[in-house]
Amino acid sequence: GQQVMQIPQYQHVQEGEDFTTYCNSSTTLSNIQWYKQRPGGHPVFLIQLVKSGEVKKQKRLTFQFGEAKKNSSLHITATQTTDVGTYFCAGRRNNDMRFGAGTRLTVKP
Amino acid sequence: DAGITQSPRHKVTETGTPVTLRCHQTENHRYMYWYRQDPGHGLRLIHYSYGVKDTDKGEVSDGYSVSRSKTEDFLLTLESATSSQTSVYFCAISLDYLGETQYFGPGTRLLVL
Repeated sequence: GQQVMQIPQYQHVQEGEDFTTYCNSSTTLSNIQWYKQRPGGHPVFLIQLVKSGEVKKQKRLTFQFGEAKKNSSLHITATQTTDVGTYFCAGRRNNDMRFGAGTRLTVKP
Repeated sequence: DAGITQSPRHKVTETGTPVTLRCHQTENHRYMYWYRQDPGHGLRLIHYSYGVKDTDKGEVSDGYSVSRSKTEDFLLTLESATSSQTSVYFCAISLDYLGETQYFGPGTRLLVL
């Protein structure tokens, strides 16, 4: 069955450093979605990528979808304390969507 | 935040007892979902609904049942709770199936002793 692997599991950075989380699927995806979950909160939708090689930006966040549509990344430039939380990818293939286990980001001021 | 509420927000129960969790939406979205979240597993889909009385199984449906008698309400029932069902349960809604922007509820923390 479809599997979505996400690395790293944890990342601790100093405020101002960059951060990247990677998502890899065992199968070609129809699309991939990214979510952010603050500590004690619920997942909040960030973005959806659909096209091969697609790159989208939201302020300091850059999202990429691989050419083969099997991997994706989320890069945060110059992290801030407000970026703390767990970032999840969710890969969709046909009528099945699987979430990665998430990358938990902590930021030291 | 989208108009999604979950009740109860926290529950402690004993093994073998039935438990029902409620999700209520005010957005009139067609699709509703129940997920469980466990460390190291991310979110896993339990059941979903695509309309009143229309439901289907997700990835981890064993031990769970659902019902949707009204557009706004989606109930998740654990017929006989087990310790392995200790988890955080999230309800979500969307306009399209697994569509862009699933809105999640605040979650229910369930502890089965």
